[in-house]
Amino acid sequence: SQQGEEDPQALSIQEGENATMNCSYKTSINNLQWYRQNSGRGLVHLILIRSNEREKHSGRLRVTLDTSKKSSSLLITASRAADTASYFCATAWGGNTPLVFGKGTRLSVIA
Amino acid sequence: DAGVIQSPRHEVTEMGQEVTLRCKPISGHDYLFWYRQTMMRGLELLIYFNNNVPIDDSGMPEDRFSAKMPNASFSTLKIQPSEPRDSAVYFCASSGSGASTDTQYFGPGTRLTVL
Repeated sequence: SQQGEEDPQALSIQEGENATMNCSYKTSINNLQWYRQNSGRGLVHLILIRSNEREKHSGRLRVTLDTSKKSSSLLITASRAADTASYFCATAWGGNTPLVFGKGTRLSVIA
Repeated sequence: DAGVIQSPRHEVTEMGQEVTLRCKPISGHDYLFWYRQTMMRGLELLIYFNNNVPIDDSGMPEDRFSAKMPNASFSTLKIQPSEPRDSAVYFCASSGSGASTDTQYFGPGTRLTVL
């Protein structure tokens, strides 16, 4: 069963704009991870945020976590055509436990 | 680091045939996960191992599926007999201790088509 639900399901923006994707989940978590998947390819890990953290940054990525609302957001700043992909959030109830994935957000960045 | 290695990358087989998917985790990782991705159900866990021991196989769809991890550097997922509904992309992922503990690194996947 899928715990995470990403919103929106699809997002189309112009190059240089910011893209924000949201994820909601249902149960308590140890950590939440964001992944990128290019069409027909594997999953690339972007960032992990733990339940006791509220915000993390990595390059052009900013992730927030609100455990009281059971939600997370991924912000990609100054988007590029190469950012076009599907983005998934995944939650883990413990350390090194299986990930429960959402259905993903399809991001299209138009040059 | 070579990352997680999976083989084959693509597999086309006929219904009823045996299929074996292979995975080599990142060296030093002691957790290994098998996931399946389909359009209908998205990404789902099949089974995972810790120190070569299966911990949770509740995601394995039925007895036709089996997985083994004979040593720390190799795992197999076998489907016998295969059915068209098994068509999917199968991913292997590994994680371990250290600075990046809990982060799961995925292999490129095996795209299975059962005719």
